[in-house]
Amino acid sequence: SQTIHQWPATLVQPVGSPLSLECTVEGTSNPNLYWYRQAAGRGLQLLFYSVGIGQISSEVPQNLSASRPQDRQFILSSKKLLLSDSGFYLCAWRVQQGNSPLHFGNGTRLTVT
Amino acid sequence: RKEVEQDPGPFNVPEGATVAFNCTYSNSASQSFFWYRQDCRKEPKLLMSVYSSGNEDGRFTAQLNRASQYISLLIRDSKLSDSATYLCVVGLTNTGNQFYFGTGTSLTVIP
Repeated sequence: SQTIHQWPATLVQPVGSPLSLECTVEGTSNPNLYWYRQAAGRGLQLLFYSVGIGQISSEVPQNLSASRPQDRQFILSSKKLLLSDSGFYLCAWRVQQGNSPLHFGNGTRLTVT
Repeated sequence: RKEVEQDPGPFNVPEGATVAFNCTYSNSASQSFFWYRQDCRKEPKLLMSVYSSGNEDGRFTAQLNRASQYISLLIRDSKLSDSATYLCVVGLTNTGNQFYFGTGTSLTVIP
C-alpha cells in the first residue's frame, strides 16, 4: 500500500531563517505531488505541484520554492521566512491518471516568530 | 465568487441524528468530487469520492447534482466520533492539477 511521510511535524523558526520541509511517498511510482498551506481557520491553498522529477508548477508567487530531486521526494524551501509563512503545511500525492483523490501527509505545523 | 462554497456551520447534533451538508461549486467543467474529513490540527483524510449516480458507504451517502452544481453529504445515525470538519473538494483533473477546497463545515455530535 502507498504511504506518505512528511517531517518535521512541528517547527518553530525565527523570521529570516531558512526552511526545508521534506515529503516522501512509498508504494507508488510517478505520482503527482503537491504542497498546500492551511492558515488558521481558512481553506487549503495550493502552493506547488509536480508531475515529474524536476517539474515544478507554482500557484502562488511568494518567498517559497519547491524541488523534486527524486520521483517520490518533494521538498519545500525558503531562504528567509516571514511571519506570514506561519501555517499548517501539507504534502499530498495522487495517481496521475483519472479522477483520483489527493492523499495527504500528516502535515507540518510551522510557527514563525 | 469562490470556486467552492460550504456552510461553515457549526452543526451541533445529538447522537443518532441525521445531518446533511451541502456544497456548491462554480466551474461547470469540474470532473472529480470528494468529501474529506479533517480532525482538529490533523491532515484531511478522504472520506469518500462522489459519483454522478450517488454513492453510499455505510452511514454516509454522497450525491452530485451537476445541473445545479452542488454536492451533498448525508450522515445517518451520527456517532460522537463523527465530530470533525468536513471539506468539500472539487477537481479539474484532466486539464491540470486544480483542486478547489471548501473552507469546511464543522460538525459536533453531542451525547
